[in-house]
Amino acid sequence: AQSVTQLGSHVSVSEGALVLLRCNYSSSVPPYLFWYVQYPNQGLQLLLKYTSAATLVKGINGFEAEFKKSETSFHLTKPSAHMSDAAEYFCAVSVPGGFKTIFGAGTRLFVKA
Amino acid sequence: DADVTQTPRNRITKTGKRIMLECSQTKGHDRMYWYRQDPGLGLRLIYYSFDVKDINKGEISDGYSVSRQAQAKFSLSLESAIPNQTALYFCATSDPGTADTQYFGPGTRLTVL
Repeated sequence: AQSVTQLGSHVSVSEGALVLLRCNYSSSVPPYLFWYVQYPNQGLQLLLKYTSAATLVKGINGFEAEFKKSETSFHLTKPSAHMSDAAEYFCAVSVPGGFKTIFGAGTRLFVKA
Repeated sequence: DADVTQTPRNRITKTGKRIMLECSQTKGHDRMYWYRQDPGLGLRLIYYSFDVKDINKGEISDGYSVSRQAQAKFSLSLESAIPNQTALYFCATSDPGTADTQYFGPGTRLTVL
């Protein structure tokens, strides 16, 4: 079975500061890992995904995440936060040939001017 | 036009009423899903369908039923709504060829009084 834990339900950063959102996963087989973003009053949209190619994955809007097997982590980073990054972010895991995607509880990112 | 649409976007109903939420997609995907989002709990899977003749229960299917009318249409019904079914409901599609990346509709906000 797979599971995902997002550390911190809320993260607040200043505009221009580093964004770091933490995600740890559990999987009995090599996983697929995803970050999705949800802006207010919208559905979730894919930010980036890891599918066993390069361990450093680049996504949209300057975000990237690094798959670290030894730490079972897939943390999301962005060097410089923008006001438009304020949203809720979900880490998710699935497995090749699996039937469903498991989502974390979400981390709401606040960006202060 | 949006690839995944949901109707209605908002609905207020009373305890005991039957409610149907509808989802249509133009992505041509066989796989469709219904999720429920509650604050602090992330997304939880209600039902999923891998083709018109394949319907499967997710982790929280009690009190819900679904109908897959066509490849493009997947409806969720609450036979007798209760207040703890107040939530944000999302429909999604996926393509196993893209590691089951999920494509979400805009959501339906349901309030049961």
